Amino acid sequence: QSALTQPASVSGSPGQSITISCTGTSSDVGGFNIVSWYQQHPGKAPKIMIYEVSMRPSGVSNRFSGSKSGNTASLTISGLQAEDEADYYCCSYAGSTTWVFGGGTKLTVL
Amino acid sequence: QVHLQQSGPGLVKPSQTLSLTCVISGDSVSSNSAAWNWIRQSPSRGLEWLGRTYYRSKWYHDYEVSVKSRITINPDTAKNQFSLQVNSVTPEDTAVYYCARDNGKLGHDYWGQGTLVTVSS
Repeated sequence: QSALTQPASVSGSPGQSITISCTGTSSDVGGFNIVSWYQQHPGKAPKIMIYEVSMRPSGVSNRFSGSKSGNTASLTISGLQAEDEADYYCCSYAGSTTWVFGGGTKLTVL
Repeated sequence: QVHLQQSGPGLVKPSQTLSLTCVISGDSVSSNSAAWNWIRQSPSRGLEWLGRTYYRSKWYHDYEVSVKSRITINPDTAKNQFSLQVNSVTPEDTAVYYCARDNGKLGHDYWGQGTLVTVSS
């Protein structure tokens, strides 16, 4: 199973919005509405930010939103804050009871 | 609140077996809705899902194809924990290993603290 494709890095200024894409295939992202997004700060375990494409777990800021079109899922962070600077990973159910992760995107808040 | 606590050695020699344990509190390894995963992370491979175990009237084990021949994930109901074994390790298996719970469509909602395992002689 190949990793999902994410941009290596994105950046934005405080207050701006950014979007991170996650491209897979019809066998994973495109085939199921089971995409999640994770935030990871250095030296920490990943933290779930979005599940089921666009759902936010309790306690996650509404500045984080998710969507999907075809084989590409997206994470949008609005009103960028310094604390949002982290690595972000997407994950999709890939059928046959398996999961696949994206390669990760480093978000820099300028 | 679910908490996952990992334990295991941080250094393993090439060709030997890597063994890690994840103790669950706040949930049950025999849960009918959760699954118990192992995921690893390295600079070269990013996050890589390895496999999981779960109970749905009987035990199931799913593994990533590329590592399926070398790994075993087992539950221990008496201690409410699950384990990972990776056989015949090479330096390519050097990574931070995480245990995590997945709740199906709800994603991987709880993670262990991570264990850096280095494969070196």
